[in-house]
Formats: sequence, C-alpha cells, structure tokens
Amino acid sequence: NAGVTQTPKFQVLKTGQSMTLQCAQDMNHEYMSWYRQDPGMGLRLIHYSVGAGITDQGEVPNGYNVSRSTTEDFPLRLLSAAPSQTSVYFCASSYLQFNSPLHFGNGTRLTVT
Amino acid sequence: AQKITQTQPGMFVQEKEAVTLDCTYDTSDPSYGLFWYKQPSSGEMIFLIYQGSYDQQNATEGRYSLNFQKARKSANLVISASQLGDSAMYFCAMREGGGGATNKLIFGTGTLLAVQP
Repeated sequence: NAGVTQTPKFQVLKTGQSMTLQCAQDMNHEYMSWYRQDPGMGLRLIHYSVGAGITDQGEVPNGYNVSRSTTEDFPLRLLSAAPSQTSVYFCASSYLQFNSPLHFGNGTRLTVT
Repeated sequence: AQKITQTQPGMFVQEKEAVTLDCTYDTSDPSYGLFWYKQPSSGEMIFLIYQGSYDQQNATEGRYSLNFQKARKSANLVISASQLGDSAMYFCAMREGGGGATNKLIFGTGTLLAVQP
C-alpha cells in the first residue's frame, strides 16, 4: 500500500520557470491538500480539495494553482517560480470524517535560485 | 478564524523523564478536533494522537497522552518515559467541524524536542 506518493523529492528551479509537483494517493481519500513548510512557520496550507472537481484556497495560495480531475491525483503547479517559493512541500490526504488524520507524502524540497 | 499557538520553540528533556509540549488554540466553533504530529529529522510527518472537542476523556496512545483543558483552550501533549527516538519536531493542529466546515487542518509552528541521555 503506497499511501501518498509525491514526486520529485528534490527540485531546483530558476526564477520564472514553471513546474508541477505531483501527488497521488491510493487510499480513496476524498480530501487532499498541499502545505509548505518553512523554518519557524510550521506548515501552511496552500490549496485543498474535498473531492474531484472541487478545489479551494488555503492560507498562502498566491503563485500556486491546483486541479483535481480524479480522486487519486492532486498536482500543484508553480506558474512562475520565485525565490520566496523555496520551501519543503507536503501533500496530504484524509477521509472527510472529522476525526480522520492527514496522511502525508514524504515531501518535496524545492529551491528557486 | 481558527488559530493554533505553540509557544515553546525548543525543549530539552532527560531520557526516561516525562515532558509536556504546550498547545493553545482559538476557535468559535464548538465542534473541533485536535491532532498532534511528530516530524523526525528524516522529515516525514507521523500522526500521534487525536482529541475531539466533545470527547469526555483525555486521549491516550501508548506513551502519548493529551492534557485537554477545554475552558482554557489548551491541548498539551504529554510524552511519558522519554526515549532518544522521541527527539523530533512536534506539531499541534486543529480542524473545525461546524456547519460549512471545509476539513482544513491548521498547524502551529511546532516545538523542537531534544531528548538527552
């Protein structure tokens, strides 16, 4: 059982480049989300989705796009990378049950130069 | 808006002793859930324990327990008999559950725990 799979593990971009972080889960979770983790700031929610075709903004959505065409996949797109987007990104999923904990991917370390 | 506060950026504890990691929260929703996660230096996020706002008893999971004080809006994590492997960053998180809730989980800034031999 793979759980939540994120790719790539590491990525270096130049300012202005675009890229997509991939996230897939095989647990049939309705809810999926993306966080960024920066030192001293905890995990901040970028975007989330409660089901296929439904997405919404979190705390820090600027500069990122998402889509949810299937239950399994929730890619995060950086349209024009900026140094401020240097961070560790986590994808996480859960059931919509209130007490369902988030299952996390292993993270993507992104550096924008 | 929901908010989670962890006021201890870092803590030390001696091996085999108990340690309490603080977490306070702010919400106007009477229905909510509180989660604790562990992040070792390897980076993965590990779910530890859950407490619901309507749960009558404090949650426990092995060496982890939650000191839930609803009136004070605090949900402190207690780790008993600390082990060297407990050295990690610990995050408190909250999900609101009232009408129109979105299932979002909001995290605090974390506490870095170092267990000393």
